[in-house]
Amino acid sequence: SQKIEQNSEALNIQEGKTATLTCNYTNYSPAYLQWYRQDPGRGPVFLLLIRENEKEKRKERLKVTFDTTLKQSLFHITASQPADSATYLCALDPLSGNTGKLIFGQGTTLQVKP
Amino acid sequence: DTAVSQTPKYLVTQMGNDKSIKCEQNLGHDTMYWYKQDSKKFLKIMFSYNNKELIINETVPNRFSPKSPDKAHLNLHINSLELGDSAVYFCASSQGGSYNSPLHFGNGTRLTVT
Repeated sequence: SQKIEQNSEALNIQEGKTATLTCNYTNYSPAYLQWYRQDPGRGPVFLLLIRENEKEKRKERLKVTFDTTLKQSLFHITASQPADSATYLCALDPLSGNTGKLIFGQGTTLQVKP
Repeated sequence: DTAVSQTPKYLVTQMGNDKSIKCEQNLGHDTMYWYKQDSKKFLKIMFSYNNKELIINETVPNRFSPKSPDKAHLNLHINSLELGDSAVYFCASSQGGSYNSPLHFGNGTRLTVT
């Protein structure tokens, strides 16, 4: 069956450390993968998109990798801050197209302690 | 200057009632969506409209009927509400599919059916 999985357990790290979140998928061949941030009581906010022909994408303190062989994406936040505490969602288009029909993982909650 | 706005933010109603949720976007996007987030935080697509035309209609009970009077608005009407409809409903928009224009979400409508 098709699945997209993120670690459902919360990730607790100390301020200043690098947070690494994992997104694994099964039986999909996505052309791209997206990462979103969701704060309590708010809608998801887009962070980064990485295409299948890109190994790595960076934006400020954020870095995303995409390994189509392992069927995995890693999301890194370097020099983490308490303000980075939120739930992070990965998403892909199961039709490998441009439909907007995104399938989301259940998200990983990150807690950065000062 | 809110990009995607939904009303109401909270909706508490009894089983069997009919209710509507409204959504408006001022981003000039041509595609709008309804997503449902259940208690386990999974976000699942329900519908998408492109220029007022229904594009995606997932396996959603017929009690749910989207209506798009113009490309800036997408409303969701729910008939004969059931306990299992309790969830947070998110409206979103994008320009075309999500490959080059990731989704912009509203802040959700928390529906509680008693």
